[in-house]
Amino acid sequence: QQQVKQSPQSLIVQKGGIPIINCAYENTAFDYFPWYQQFPGKGPALLIAIRPDVSEKKEGRFTISFNKSAKQFSLHIMDSQPGDSATYFCAARMRRKETSGSRLTFGEGTQLTVNP
Amino acid sequence: EPEVTQTPSHQVTQMGQEVILRCVPISNHLYFYWYRQILGQKVEFLVSFYNNEISEKSEIFDDQFSVERPDGSNFTLKIRSTKLEDSAMYFCASRGLRTSGDYNEQFFGPGTRLTVL
Repeated sequence: QQQVKQSPQSLIVQKGGIPIINCAYENTAFDYFPWYQQFPGKGPALLIAIRPDVSEKKEGRFTISFNKSAKQFSLHIMDSQPGDSATYFCAARMRRKETSGSRLTFGEGTQLTVNP
Repeated sequence: EPEVTQTPSHQVTQMGQEVILRCVPISNHLYFYWYRQILGQKVEFLVSFYNNEISEKSEIFDDQFSVERPDGSNFTLKIRSTKLEDSAMYFCASRGLRTSGDYNEQFFGPGTRLTVL
């Protein structure tokens, strides 16, 4: 119930393509869904996040689509660039009171390669 | 831009030895976390810390692990007797109070790679 399932495991696109990474969850108590970008040897960095009361959020070339009824959300990268090559993790946070842990549950990650 | 820092970047230790991983969270943050990432796998939650006590821990965080905020700036993870399977990248993260900007975001440090031989 705490898991977040992510697919695909790896993805290769040409420059300018639109890679799409998908995540699914079971627990409806999740209330915050961030996407993290991780370059080799670095820590995850927040890319974009969404709450379940919104169906889409766009920041620059990155868009999250959220389907609450299906318990699925996805990341789209418009006009992808070689510099976008990284590992992308979706995550979810349980709805809890202010002083609790607010742990993030991560998906398995997607290794994206954008070829020039 | 404020950032989470971690030391050392790489720690090599013998099985059974104690290690302490250090983190300096962002200065006005009050929530602190440790996560780990075994090579090629997903990031896993270990523990969260608030108001000088553990607020949540995972099943991974057994009696061999402990956390401490010894002063106003550092946050440490101690592994008392390391095992081979503790080899992983350990990430510290911190989060601020509820504000319009960064309430939800956990900021991650660059990680400490722990290698247990």
